[in-house]
Amino acid sequence: DGGITQSPKYLFRKEGQNVTLSCEQNLNHDAMYWYRQDPGQGLRLIYYSQIVNDFQKGDIAEGYSVSREKKESFPLTVTSAQKNPTAFYLCASSTLRTGVSYEQYFGPGTRLTVT
Amino acid sequence: SQQGEEDPQALSIQEGENATMNCSYKTSINNLQWYRQNSGRGLVHLILIRSNEREKHSGRLRVTLDTSKKSSSLLITASRAADTASYFCATDAMVENTDKLIFGTGTRLQVFP
Repeated sequence: DGGITQSPKYLFRKEGQNVTLSCEQNLNHDAMYWYRQDPGQGLRLIYYSQIVNDFQKGDIAEGYSVSREKKESFPLTVTSAQKNPTAFYLCASSTLRTGVSYEQYFGPGTRLTVT
Repeated sequence: SQQGEEDPQALSIQEGENATMNCSYKTSINNLQWYRQNSGRGLVHLILIRSNEREKHSGRLRVTLDTSKKSSSLLITASRAADTASYFCATDAMVENTDKLIFGTGTRLQVFP
């Protein structure tokens, strides 16, 4: 899982509560990403950030929020507005070059269960 | 919608056999990448092939790219039980004027000892 960490590995929350997932990288990467993975499916992009204090919505941003106050950190908040929050959440980082996507380095993931 | 679609969805083979997985995509790409995911873990990058390349090797992995057919294949030779994992292709393409890496739905490979 390289130099990117996610915590916690498992997270349980009651419906209606906001929850924040941590993602930290020491790879000096400019770009960071959050994906959601549901059973038997591929990855869907939630948010991404290419520079500190800037981020963009991905394909399924509704009900989620992020911040990028430091280059190393990109926390994801799953809000109570997210209708189906139970999923496996993956954070990734990569070097950045205009117009080209390079390989992404992934953290170990956080499995969120909301009941 | 997903850019890459892997085929087959699942594959079971014996140790020592070769495993071939295919990926089809829809739009022009800058490059195509293959990733591996062990159950309950993050993805690990395996190999990147650029749009002007046709074949690339890395150890027991062989990747081909046919841009005219918008398809790629990943071949794992002499498979081992430790190769059991899900394999995803990801295409680097411009989507709505933004460069994005779009993942397919994956092929689940089971290698029996």
